[in-house]
Amino acid sequence: EDKVVQSPLSLVVHEGDTVTLNCSYEVTNFRSLLWYKQEKKAPTFLFMLTSSGIEKKSGRLSSILDKKELFSILNITATQTGDSAIYLCAVFSGAGSYQLTFGKGTKLSVIP
Amino acid sequence: DSGVTQTPKHLITATGQRVTLRCSPRSGDLSVYWYQQSLDQGLQFLIQYYNGEERAKGNILERFSAQQFPDLHSELNLSSLELGDSALYFCASSVGQMGYEQYFGPGTRLTVT
Repeated sequence: EDKVVQSPLSLVVHEGDTVTLNCSYEVTNFRSLLWYKQEKKAPTFLFMLTSSGIEKKSGRLSSILDKKELFSILNITATQTGDSAIYLCAVFSGAGSYQLTFGKGTKLSVIP
Repeated sequence: DSGVTQTPKHLITATGQRVTLRCSPRSGDLSVYWYQQSLDQGLQFLIQYYNGEERAKGNILERFSAQQFPDLHSELNLSSLELGDSALYFCASSVGQMGYEQYFGPGTRLTVT
């Protein structure tokens, strides 16, 4: 059974801090890894990672994948209160028909 | 606003009943995905339809079924409801079959009493 594990489960930081969120996975026929941000309701797409070692960046957020060690990290620099959310990691896997497995998320709280 | 619409926003029903959740994808998107999110299980992929055909199946119970209509809207049918089915049900859409970048709707909150 495919597994995606995120750590930590929750994190409280002060504005301006840098945070690193972790996602490790065990899946059959890995295709890609995705990061989502979930604030009040629906998740919003952040990144898709397919190749090892290539950093994806969007503003203060960046992410990288290590396919050998089967993990990904999401970095947020100079955190703001608006970064407070649940960050979800998901992995696409499978040959032919695919599976999408989500981790339970990391709840990030940024306090002023 | 992602462009994906879901109705209803909230639904309260009794055990044993049947409900239908509706989703309209973003204009131009051919794929629709259904997810269940509960506190203990997190976000679980249920099923995907692409251009009217079932494309992938996740952890969907036999009591649940879905379909996608020619106008590309989709319905998720939940029957013989149990207390444990109480959850937030999301629909998402994407352009292609391999929905790497999916746009989520606001969700339907189902409460089974």
